[in-house]
Amino acid sequence: SQTIHQWPATLVQPVGSPLSLECTVEGTSNPNLYWYRQAAGRGLQLLFYSIGIDQISSEVPQNLSASRPQDRQFILSSKKLLLSDSGFYLCAWSVGDGNTIYFGEGSWLTVV
Amino acid sequence: AQSVTQLGSHVSVSEGALVLLRCNYSSSVPPYLFWYVQYPNQGLQLLLKYTSAATLVKGINGFEAEFKKSETSFHLTKPSAHMSDAAEYFCAPYNAGNNRKLIWGLGTSLAVNP
Repeated sequence: SQTIHQWPATLVQPVGSPLSLECTVEGTSNPNLYWYRQAAGRGLQLLFYSIGIDQISSEVPQNLSASRPQDRQFILSSKKLLLSDSGFYLCAWSVGDGNTIYFGEGSWLTVV
Repeated sequence: AQSVTQLGSHVSVSEGALVLLRCNYSSSVPPYLFWYVQYPNQGLQLLLKYTSAATLVKGINGFEAEFKKSETSFHLTKPSAHMSDAAEYFCAPYNAGNNRKLIWGLGTSLAVNP
């Protein structure tokens, strides 16, 4: 069966510090991978999605970036965090077109 | 482009009462429609998915949703609420255009009172 792992679960970082959130999927090949952010009281915002290695699309301009060093690994990064980067970050995966998206457990980021 | 509206950001029901969470999509019929549930501090979990095979879709935990093309709706219901149903619920139609992504509603927070 397929599983998704996302870490760290909780992170408190000072403004201006770097960020690295990691996500790996097991049990499937060539998944579509996603990074979402969920701010308090708001819906899901798609940040990045990737349909393959070296195929990453950014949905919104921001100081975040994403990389996919391996087929089933997706990393969310920032060189300098802003206060507004605080939120709940969710990694997700799907296979094919129009199929169910499966989510990781999420990572709470607090920028102080 | 596809859009979605979830009427009521907060819904409160008594335990044992009917749960009705509303979702309306834009005029273009999406090939797929999803309902997800999010329990506090957790990721999202699929409740059910409409694939045009049947207009009434049954999901997990006793939830079901009915696709009504004439009303452009995909409302989520459960006959009898349980305390464990308290969570955030998201409706998401699939955008079959060039975007080909899920379009997320803002969510409805369901509270269940004893």
